[in-house]
Amino acid sequence: GAVVSQHPSWVICKSGTSVKIECRSLDFQATTMFWYRQFPKQSLMLMATSNEGSKATYEQGVEKDKFLINHASLTLSTLTVTSAHPEDSSFYICSATNPQGPIIYNEQFFGPGTRLTVL
Amino acid sequence: GNSVTQMEGPVTLSEEAFLTINCTYTATGYPSLFWYVQYPGEGLQLLLKATKADDKGSNKGFEATYRKETTSFHLEKGSVQVSDSAVYFCALSFNDMRFGAGTRLTVKP
Repeated sequence: GAVVSQHPSWVICKSGTSVKIECRSLDFQATTMFWYRQFPKQSLMLMATSNEGSKATYEQGVEKDKFLINHASLTLSTLTVTSAHPEDSSFYICSATNPQGPIIYNEQFFGPGTRLTVL
Repeated sequence: GNSVTQMEGPVTLSEEAFLTINCTYTATGYPSLFWYVQYPGEGLQLLLKATKADDKGSNKGFEATYRKETTSFHLEKGSVQVSDSAVYFCALSFNDMRFGAGTRLTVKP
């Protein structure tokens, strides 16, 4: 249980275009999802926290107009990278918490990641 | 704020060697602690976790004990295999999740 999927697993796009990445919780309803980015050989950096039905909370330094997050249902959150540029090339990973699980664990379940390459 | 400090890598070991990857944390409350493993080109997989002091998490021969007195959660394995080659992340979760820098482990036959 507690499986999270991402689509696509990799994407290549031209500079200036927008790219949408989907994150789905497959066997549970996730009221909260998180988006991370990971540059090569670096750790995960939290970009934003997404709550179903409300606006995402962005970490300091993350441009909310560039990284649009929508969490319209309990099983789906999307991250849209608008007007992508080469410096946005990265590995984007989403995660979700299972509110029906042991909340005291504060455990997040991670998707497999999406590798974005902007040419 | 909450943070995790993890042993810098890379670490290169021979097969069947003993592994220790140090992890210490700073937290204002009582976080849950995790070790994740990331294989090349893949996302994170939960390796083990501990939710309170003196808890020992274990999985696939890996162990880590939640030490409140030393604020540590060191990862250990008695005999590593080539298939253990990956990047290991220590993480804590309280209101949100914070990751260490990651330690790249290479095990040579």
